[in-house]
Amino acid sequence: DAGITQSPRHKVTETGTPVTLRCHQTENHRYMYWYRQDPGHGLRLIHYSYGVKDTDKGEVSDGYSVSRSKTEDFLLTLESATSSQTSVYFCAISDLGGRAETQYFGPGTRLLVL
Amino acid sequence: TQLLEQSPQFLSIQEGENLTVYCNSSSVFSSLQWYRQEPGEGPVLLVTVVTGGEVKKLKRLTFQFGDARKDSSLHITAAQTGDTGLYLCAGTNNAGNNRKLIWGLGTSLAVNP
Repeated sequence: DAGITQSPRHKVTETGTPVTLRCHQTENHRYMYWYRQDPGHGLRLIHYSYGVKDTDKGEVSDGYSVSRSKTEDFLLTLESATSSQTSVYFCAISDLGGRAETQYFGPGTRLLVL
Repeated sequence: TQLLEQSPQFLSIQEGENLTVYCNSSSVFSSLQWYRQEPGEGPVLLVTVVTGGEVKKLKRLTFQFGDARKDSSLHITAAQTGDTGLYLCAGTNNAGNNRKLIWGLGTSLAVNP
């Protein structure tokens, strides 16, 4: 199994509170991703990183920011959490090679915004 | 916008039955991947297909990539309760930004004892 951990695994917070989720990898993979997964919407990309300090937006980036100061860590921040950000958040990593890309996923973080 | 449509959305069968789930698009993909996700966990890669017409087998699971590289199927023979989960297909397109995967919404499979 790829060495990916997410913390915290579960979090309950209140509307308007800042929240930071952490993804840590031990695989030295170049690419890291943050997704959210919601019923009826599947996996949606929030932000991704293609190197230290190199990040780009995904399809649902509003209300989220990211930072990557080290290869192994990718942080997702909700500056002011809203109830619509209640979801399961997954981090993934990949090391693109050849024609195909494989993403390895972390165990997920369940976030409830009250 | 490239889309991947998966069908059926839900499937409930008895142990021992065979089933096929589908992943379709109007766009061409350079590769398609199938993942399985169990409750409370992240998706796990099952297989990657890259050549049109390619067939790959993983024990009781058979994966096929369409000749035109627009669709794929997953066939499970003699389903077991351990096959229960969400099956996701995801595609890459070398013509665009292939650092990102395009995801289907998944087929939720329940295999009953």
